[in-house]
Amino acid sequence: EVQLLESGGGLVQPGGSLRLSCAASGFTFSSYAMRWVRQAPGKGLEWVSSISGSGGSTYYADSVKGRFTISRDNSKNTLYLQMTSLRAEDTAFYYCAKILAAGKGMDVWGQGTTVTVSS
Amino acid sequence: QSALTQPPSASGSPGQSVTISCTGTSSDVGGYNYVSWYQQHPGKAPKLMIYAVNERPSGVPDRFSGSKSGNTASLTVSGLQAEDEADYYCSSYAGNSYVFGTGTKVTVL
Repeated sequence: EVQLLESGGGLVQPGGSLRLSCAASGFTFSSYAMRWVRQAPGKGLEWVSSISGSGGSTYYADSVKGRFTISRDNSKNTLYLQMTSLRAEDTAFYYCAKILAAGKGMDVWGQGTTVTVSS
Repeated sequence: QSALTQPPSASGSPGQSVTISCTGTSSDVGGYNYVSWYQQHPGKAPKLMIYAVNERPSGVPDRFSGSKSGNTASLTVSGLQAEDEADYYCSSYAGNSYVFGTGTKVTVL
């Protein structure tokens, strides 16, 4: 069964850091680009970051550029999101998702992990 | 990276059709045939319903269809069923970035 399982969320103070992980199973992880998408409480979806299958290409939303770093370890079938200089507006549910193919949408999503930035 | 514009709500009776629009610009929706649609039930992860404007992943009923004209994409749900009541989001490739729509809550009357 194709599955994504996020972990690492929690409560952090403004200016703090957190690393999210997304463990993949049931597919050839290195063959697929991956994305992080977030959803603030009661709000819509927001693309955060993307990474190619090899990890050689990464992309970020303007709202997180310079603060967040996406990476992957294909030997461990795991995707990461390192978040630094966290702000209250980063409070959201964070999903990792597998891309069906280039430009063709996200066909597998994790259950999400909650990040709360508050003092 | 401005959000694509969707109507906040749409509704229809069981068996009827509902169409949701998704308006962007020539830099996203109008510039690429890479529009996707997602269904999200409360407390659940989004589910891919349409990709590449009008392609359906396996397992998605053919009641769901997509189209695009210029800078506006559309999702049509035909033969509405109670389980179709959910939030729907469009998304488009925008040149090394991706943008989601504002979301539409579909209510089955």
